[in-house]
Amino acid sequence: GNSVTQMEGPVTLSEEAFLTINCTYTATGYPSLFWYVQYPGEGLQLLLKATKADDKGSNKGFEATYRKETTSFHLEKGSVQVSDSAVYFCALDSGYSTLTFGKGTMLLVSP
Amino acid sequence: DGGITQSPKYLFRKEGQNVTLSCEQNLNHDAMYWYRQDPGQGLRLIYYSQIVNDFQKGDIAEGYSVSREKKESFPLTVTSAQKNPTAFYLCASSAYFGLAGSNTGELFFGEGSRLTVL
Repeated sequence: GNSVTQMEGPVTLSEEAFLTINCTYTATGYPSLFWYVQYPGEGLQLLLKATKADDKGSNKGFEATYRKETTSFHLEKGSVQVSDSAVYFCALDSGYSTLTFGKGTMLLVSP
Repeated sequence: DGGITQSPKYLFRKEGQNVTLSCEQNLNHDAMYWYRQDPGQGLRLIYYSQIVNDFQKGDIAEGYSVSREKKESFPLTVTSAQKNPTAFYLCASSAYFGLAGSNTGELFFGEGSRLTVL
């Protein structure tokens, strides 16, 4: 079946540091890929998405590129802020918009 | 404002009791979903519904039940048969219900309901 593997956290960074959160997936075909963000005590919000190979999703300074050859969708940001502290989930569409999620990676950014 | 409303935000239940979590959306979305979130486990799909009066089991449906009598509403009942019900429950909706590989839409999530069994 489909699965998503993302790096374990927490990831601890200082403000303005470069961020990478790794995500790899196993799936049949070429599913749409997503990054969602969850702030404390809240539901999830879509951060960015990519629907086909080599697509780059971007939003709020975050980027991720759909790499078919490495089955990866790594999340990056050039300069993180304290307000970026949250849990980040990588996900793929397993059909009928039922998403399969990774376990989540907590990001902690200190001033 | 359009969105998804889940209630209650916090709920306590004694063992052996059923409890129903409410989920209402005013986004005019066709599809609705229930996910369960446990620490370190990510989100797991419980049930989903494409249209009114129809729903499908997800990966962990045992011990749960749902109904979809109205487009706007998708309540989840956690029954006494659910062995480990303490968790954070998230409801979501989607405007597009397409096949994998097509341009599927994003999921819009509510703020969640935290259920604790005493």
